[in-house]
Amino acid sequence: SAVISQKPSRDICQRGTSLTIQCQVDSQVTMMFWYRQQPGQSLTLIATANQGSEATYESGFVIDKFPISRPNLTFSTLTVSNMSPEDSSIYLCSVVLPSSYNEQFFGPGTRLTVL
Amino acid sequence: GNSVTQMEGPVTLSEEAFLTINCTYTATGYPSLFWYVQYPGEGLQLLLKATKADDKGSNKGFEATYRKETTSFHLEKGSVQVSDSAVYFCAGGALSGGYNKLIFGAGTRLAVHP
Repeated sequence: SAVISQKPSRDICQRGTSLTIQCQVDSQVTMMFWYRQQPGQSLTLIATANQGSEATYESGFVIDKFPISRPNLTFSTLTVSNMSPEDSSIYLCSVVLPSSYNEQFFGPGTRLTVL
Repeated sequence: GNSVTQMEGPVTLSEEAFLTINCTYTATGYPSLFWYVQYPGEGLQLLLKATKADDKGSNKGFEATYRKETTSFHLEKGSVQVSDSAVYFCAGGALSGGYNKLIFGAGTRLAVHP
């Protein structure tokens, strides 16, 4: 398995501002993913962030709103830009280990509230 | 496209009751199937998985069998505990680009009372 940490664990932000969420993994992984879980909803994939390439965004998500960095094999950031109350969600990162393509391991999530 | 449908919650049970949470999938081919659990205030944890038809995944007293004929992966536990109170997500994984791209069901909240 993998140990994944996220910072911050939660935040309350004002509309129009931006927040950068960090995801740190205790081992080197090629594939990292960012998900959004809106209140009372399931998880929706935002983008795939592989080291050494541009992030790949799912339908309905764009780089200007959710820029992603992947500077090395253990770290990634997701920025939620120009926030509105509709961005209030839990944001989770996940990884696939090189030895286990079948499984994704999830971080604890970042609970974001936008006022 | 691929989709996962699971029974709506909340499901409320007394301790030691039998649990079933239904999950069916629609997919091209035969995806890997997963159950994830999200305890209050925490992220998702993989509970169990099955990668091919007739596989049975099991963990912590929970079981689910991959039924190709009914395209189902129902989660069961014979005797639930208060500590099992959580949200349970069924997910299907379609192999894409070397990994399983996950499609999640809506989640089922389970509340177990003493």
